[in-house]
Amino acid sequence: DTEVTQTPKHLVMGMTNKKSLKCEQHMGHRAMYWYKQKAKKPPELMFVYSYEKLSINESVPSRFSPECPNSSLLNLHLHALQPEDSALYLCASSYWEAGELFFGEGSRLTVL
Amino acid sequence: GESVGLHLPTLSVQEGDNSIINCAYSNSASDYFIWYKQESGKGPQFIIDIRSNMDKRQGQRVTVLLNKTVKHLSLQIAATQPGDSAVYFCAEKRATSYDKVIFGPGTSLSVIP
Repeated sequence: DTEVTQTPKHLVMGMTNKKSLKCEQHMGHRAMYWYKQKAKKPPELMFVYSYEKLSINESVPSRFSPECPNSSLLNLHLHALQPEDSALYLCASSYWEAGELFFGEGSRLTVL
Repeated sequence: GESVGLHLPTLSVQEGDNSIINCAYSNSASDYFIWYKQESGKGPQFIIDIRSNMDKRQGQRVTVLLNKTVKHLSLQIAATQPGDSAVYFCAEKRATSYDKVIFGPGTSLSVIP
């Protein structure tokens, strides 16, 4: 299995909602990532988990809360988002931190 | 601030021709560079990588060249095909307190049949 699976593929939420994005990989990778991508822009790093511990938080607002329940799963909890948070949220994993990244297809988030 | 950047945002090539996509970087401490391809509606996909102790690496129809003197990276695609149409990002592993992969702005490649 060489896939990174993200759910849901699409999510529409209001500014007062609480929702979560989920990511799963079964490649035995020890590093997992959240990137945010706006239209026609490169992916921007948000969080890095290494061996299930948060190693990098790129000064992301607290309305985004990452969680790594185990080595195969990565969640991104969303609360009180703003319309400008609408974007494609990409999960990735790699064997070691900052190695070759394997990306999921992304979760396209729209905040109304 | 320091960043990985690209010279051209768009590139159009005739099918069968060779494509060259360029990337400039500014962080001398970066020691690992990767090219990713992102097709519409998909996540980025690894194409080829190169470490800073190399100046050339070849894959299937792709070659990456690294010039550390001028901090320049290029991706060459031989015999470009319609399936090569995508956005191409160069990325660098930036060694700070923690290693992290930072993406450049991207070049959109269009292949003309």
